[in-house]
Amino acid sequence: KAGVTQTPRYLIKTRGQQVTLSCSPISGHRSVSWYQQTPGQGLQFLFEYFSETQRNKGNFPGRFSGRQFSNSRSEMNVSTLELGDSALYLCASRVGDEQYFGPGTRLTVT
Amino acid sequence: SQKIEQNSEALNIQEGKTATLTCNYTNYSPAYLQWYRQDPGRGPVFLLLIRENEKEKRKERLKVTFDTTLKQSLFHITASQPADSATYLCALRMDSSYKLIFGSGTRLLVRP
Repeated sequence: KAGVTQTPRYLIKTRGQQVTLSCSPISGHRSVSWYQQTPGQGLQFLFEYFSETQRNKGNFPGRFSGRQFSNSRSEMNVSTLELGDSALYLCASRVGDEQYFGPGTRLTVT
Repeated sequence: SQKIEQNSEALNIQEGKTATLTCNYTNYSPAYLQWYRQDPGRGPVFLLLIRENEKEKRKERLKVTFDTTLKQSLFHITASQPADSATYLCALRMDSSYKLIFGSGTRLLVRP
């Protein structure tokens, strides 16, 4: 079974722009969560989607949003990018209590 | 305030020895605790889960203990190998949601 895939793997954007990241979960997994990882703050929960509904949200500003499609694929959007948004963005799909992470998207904001 | 602490300093051990990593937390009552392995530039990989009513869990060379009184989990790798070198993260699940709170991770280096 294929693992969690994320596209693109690397992205460079400038301040003020917006960005959309994509995540395809493992086949059959209906839950997708997003995390931000930075050297200073570590791994921080952004939000979780299940069957196209946002079930949980972390403490991030409204510039961070997401959605999930009927095929369980998910997208995350960050608007008005700031330098501090530079991070590794990780998506994880879940079945039961086990989460499976993708390789991440490395976003650099200049 | 709520906090999860893992040793920020790298753990450097000789091949064949047992590596023991610590995860301490305060002001949480987790439903369960998980351990992940993360290699540079890659996503975390799930290793083990231990629930609040379990004291110990084993999987091959891995062992996890969970002491809810001490608010501490220990993660052991026996007969360590250089391939075990990575960063190990602990994560707590707090409630009915599947939001995980991660520690900052401990880097393990196993010398041949």
